[in-house]
Amino acid sequence: DTEVTQTPKHLVMGMTNKKSLKCEQHMGHRAMYWYKQKAKKPPELMFVYSYEKLSINESVPSRFSPECPNSSLLNLHLHALQPEDSALYLCASSQDAGGTDNQPQHFGDGTRLSIL
Amino acid sequence: QKEVEQNSGPLSVPEGAIASLNCTYSDRGSQSFFWYRQYSGKSPELIMSIYSNGDKEDGRFTAQLNKASQYVSLLIRDSQPSDSATYLCAVRDTGRRALTFGSGTRLQVQP
Repeated sequence: DTEVTQTPKHLVMGMTNKKSLKCEQHMGHRAMYWYKQKAKKPPELMFVYSYEKLSINESVPSRFSPECPNSSLLNLHLHALQPEDSALYLCASSQDAGGTDNQPQHFGDGTRLSIL
Repeated sequence: QKEVEQNSGPLSVPEGAIASLNCTYSDRGSQSFFWYRQYSGKSPELIMSIYSNGDKEDGRFTAQLNKASQYVSLLIRDSQPSDSATYLCAVRDTGRRALTFGSGTRLQVQP
């Protein structure tokens, strides 16, 4: 079990559906991240939120829309996804000490997403 | 383009042996280095973090950092079959809150 909780654990959706992935942490971390991981590949960064503001968007297609309602929650809204978007979506969090931040990121268990 | 390189393996060691995992990185300004273990179908789990040159030990794990040579390694002593997993090296990008991951080394510990 991890201190970063992701729901749902599995999600199957059609290309026309709209769904959301949720992530929650109660460690007081102020930086939160979304990663995408394909089989046998390392995690790829998608978005970074720092103090509830989007600080990094790694040129992610607009069919992925992140949201950070408060310091403990991070959502990823999905719409009109493609089959190649099927992957493990990982949320992570870390303490954020500004520019010299060197704190590790802690990952949730992930949501395994399948697009039909 | 910042790069983190790892041998993909598999690295096969007998139970009880020392497993040595290596990683090189291209960003000379990097200050923070992490090792994650990932079992098949699971999420990455933080094993070690290291920030200064030299060795850092935690139980059976030792991380080694040499910034001049731009490499970081992980030693696992008394390897157990339960250590069989993919080990990801991650380097924090200079100036931003992002990690660059290596492709991972698959470790197999033979009973």
